[in-house]
Amino acid sequence: AQSVTQPDIHITVSEGASLELRCNYSYGATPYLFWYVQSPGQGLQLLLKYFSGDTLVQGIKGFEAEFKRSQSSFNLRKPSVHWSDAAEYFCAFSGGYNKLIFGAGTRLAVHP
Amino acid sequence: DAMVIQNPRYQVTQFGKPVTLSCSQTLNHNVMYWYQQKSSQAPKLLFHYYDKDFNNEADTPDNFQSRRPNTSFCFLDIRSPGLGDAAMYLCATSGGTGTGDHEQYFGPGTRLTVT
Repeated sequence: AQSVTQPDIHITVSEGASLELRCNYSYGATPYLFWYVQSPGQGLQLLLKYFSGDTLVQGIKGFEAEFKRSQSSFNLRKPSVHWSDAAEYFCAFSGGYNKLIFGAGTRLAVHP
Repeated sequence: DAMVIQNPRYQVTQFGKPVTLSCSQTLNHNVMYWYQQKSSQAPKLLFHYYDKDFNNEADTPDNFQSRRPNTSFCFLDIRSPGLGDAAMYLCATSGGTGTGDHEQYFGPGTRLTVT
């Protein structure tokens, strides 16, 4: 079955600390992978995407993610978190049928 | 700027009173999607249009309908809203897999309250 797993429902970090949000997918081939961020009451904003090529992708707001085929993972990282990064983060993939499969999301809280 | 626009941002309707939510796009994308998102959950796809071709998800209630009169506009009609339909409704667009564009572009959402 096609699915995305985000194992961490809530994560709390201190401002300035590093961050890694985990994402694992289940799909029979290499999917198109995405990370979206959602602030309260807002739509989803694309942080970054992986289609092919370099497995380390850079996104907006200082985020990066690394695709690891052997682990079926696409973890999101940021070296130094800012208070404004507090939001909900969704990992998703597309298997090429005009649909996105979303993970359940990880809610990030940032302590001053 | 090219974008996805949703109106209204906030909608209050009465139990059982039909309501229509609107989405427009300036991206000239082939595909338009409607998602329902409840609190602390991932977006749930209701249906999507590829051009004029309507694709309903198997578990979307009959209470939810959609219209796409042209490339730019798509509407979500809720025929008889129940309290359980209170949610954020997100519209999204994409170029479509035929174009190689798999990214979806989201609007800001419409928060629906049912009283």
